[in-house]
Amino acid sequence: DAGVIQSPRHEVTEMGQEVTLRCKPISGHNSLFWYRQTMMRGLELLIYFNNNVPIDDSGMPEDRFSAKMPNASFSTLKIQPSEPRDSAVYFCASTPGYSGVSSTDTQYFGPGTRLTVL
Amino acid sequence: KQEVTQIPAALSVPEGENLVLNCSFTDSAIYNLQWFRQDPGKGLTSLLLIQSSQREQTSGRLNASLDKSSGRSTLYIAASQPGDSATYLCAVPSGGGADGLTFGKGTHLIIQP
Repeated sequence: DAGVIQSPRHEVTEMGQEVTLRCKPISGHNSLFWYRQTMMRGLELLIYFNNNVPIDDSGMPEDRFSAKMPNASFSTLKIQPSEPRDSAVYFCASTPGYSGVSSTDTQYFGPGTRLTVL
Repeated sequence: KQEVTQIPAALSVPEGENLVLNCSFTDSAIYNLQWFRQDPGKGLTSLLLIQSSQREQTSGRLNASLDKSSGRSTLYIAASQPGDSATYLCAVPSGGGADGLTFGKGTHLIIQP
């Protein structure tokens, strides 16, 4: 089992550029989550998907952020245009079951993408 | 809105000591609570998941307890080792039907050899 795969591991870009982060969940998992981690705010949920469908995107900070899951094995988080305050580590996680009020699943995290916006 | 607080923010102890990390949450209507470990530059690894119907879970030298009514959980680490050095995070479902997690800011633990 390869675990959750994220790419790139590190991204340095200039303000105003478009950034695309990628995630491949564990095969067979039905739910996928995007989180952002900063020193100030800790880990925050951005958006999650069940069966490739976005369920809750209330954590997406603003319209510059968008996420897609075109199929069960791939998701992207795009920031356009990027700003220095977007600098953070972005994590993707997946769970076997479907997210729901009584989910009992552990979330499996990828290694993260460290984004620096200059 | 669910909020999670972890105390202490940092802890440094000599090898071999038993220690307790604390976690509190504001909304006691949770279905489970998880403890994660994060090593520098790495992702999170789930250590223990406690269902709301359980009071504790054990894995090796780790024991996690849950008191829903008081909104508290503790992670007990027995006979600490330098390899236990990491940041430990507590997380609960965000609530309102959402199954994303709300995390505490973690306890940064250093075990001195």
